[in-house]
Amino acid sequence: AQSVTQLDSQVPVFEEAPVELRCNYSSSVSVYLFWYVQYPNQGLQLLLKYLSGSTLVESINGFEAEFNKSQTSFHLRKPSVHISDTAEYFCAVRVVSGYSTLTFGKGTMLLVSP
Amino acid sequence: DVKVTQSSRYLVKRTGEKVFLECVQDMDHENMFWYRQDPGLGLRLIYFSYDVKMKEKGDIPEGYSVSREKKERFSLILESASTNQTSMYLCASSLQTEAFFGQGTRLTVV
Repeated sequence: AQSVTQLDSQVPVFEEAPVELRCNYSSSVSVYLFWYVQYPNQGLQLLLKYLSGSTLVESINGFEAEFNKSQTSFHLRKPSVHISDTAEYFCAVRVVSGYSTLTFGKGTMLLVSP
Repeated sequence: DVKVTQSSRYLVKRTGEKVFLECVQDMDHENMFWYRQDPGLGLRLIYFSYDVKMKEKGDIPEGYSVSREKKERFSLILESASTNQTSMYLCASSLQTEAFFGQGTRLTVV
């Protein structure tokens, strides 16, 4: 079975500061990795994904995440956050082969203040 | 764009009622999922389906059932609603990689 640990339930940060949201996973087989974002009273939106190839993946709004197989991590980073980045962020994994489901972490609330 | 539509954004039901949550996707995805989201607990899988009329239990299936009669539609059924089923319910669909989510249904059982 797979599991995902998001080490911080809440991360407060000032606008224009850098941020890192941490995600570690556990799996005995190869996985795909995802970050989703959820704005208040909305569903989840895919932010970025790692399927294969380059271990550094980027989103269109300045976020990036790096797959580190040896540390089983997929941390999310942004060099300069905006107020509009305030949201809850979920890390998820999915086994590469066979019928599989997404396993989520418990989420990290990013709070950006002026 | 993939669209996953949940029939209601907000629902209020009474204890003991039978409740239907409907979800429709328009991308011919084989896989569909129902998750429950609660503060501090993240998303927990209730049921999923990888084909019409096929269903598999997730992590917390007790008190729920599902129906998938057509590929595009996946229904979650609360047989007898209880107050501890007050939650946000999220439907998703996928092929083999990422899942696409609906807007969620916030269910309150009183």
